[in-house]
Amino acid sequence: GDSVTQMEGPVTLSEEAFLTINCTYTATGYPSLFWYVQYPGEGLQLLLKATKADDKGSNKGFEATYRKETTSFHLEKGSVQVSDSAVYFCALNGGSNYKLTFGKGTLLTVNP
Amino acid sequence: EAGVTQFPSHSVIEKGQTVTLRCDPISGHDNLYWYRRVMGKEIKFLLHFVKESKQDESGMPNNRFLAERTGGTYSTLKVQPAELEDSGVYFCASSQDAAETFFGQGTRLTVV
Repeated sequence: GDSVTQMEGPVTLSEEAFLTINCTYTATGYPSLFWYVQYPGEGLQLLLKATKADDKGSNKGFEATYRKETTSFHLEKGSVQVSDSAVYFCALNGGSNYKLTFGKGTLLTVNP
Repeated sequence: EAGVTQFPSHSVIEKGQTVTLRCDPISGHDNLYWYRRVMGKEIKFLLHFVKESKQDESGMPNNRFLAERTGGTYSTLKVQPAELEDSGVYFCASSQDAAETFFGQGTRLTVV
């Protein structure tokens, strides 16, 4: 079945550092790929998505590129801020019923 | 526009008791989902409603869990009787199509 493996962390960075959170997946067919973020005390929010190979999703300075050849969707940001501290989840949707398969989540803490 | 709302935000119950979680999806969203995150693990799919019908309940752990969606509006998830391993965060989500799934803040359930 479908599965998502992401860097578990926790990850601790200083403000303005470069961020990479690795995510690889296993799926039949051609899934859509997502990054969700959960800020402290809030629900899950869609951060970005990509629906086909070589698509780049981007939002709030974060980017991720759908790499079919390496089955990866790594999240990157060039300069993190304290406000980026949150749990980040990589996810895929491989079927027609919109069900999401998630990774375990990566806790990011950004220190001033 | 109101987002997905869940009640209660936290619940602490004793093993063997019954708990009912409620979810109000975004108005007009036919698709409603329940997910669960056990501490430190991935967010796992429980089930999917399309309007009032169960489309996919393959993720329901066992028959102690009962989900309903009366009239295709709000949904409830009842756990009876609760066991220690049921502790976790229960997320509800809704969508109108595959473009984006909107999540609630989650209900943190602790069984002691």
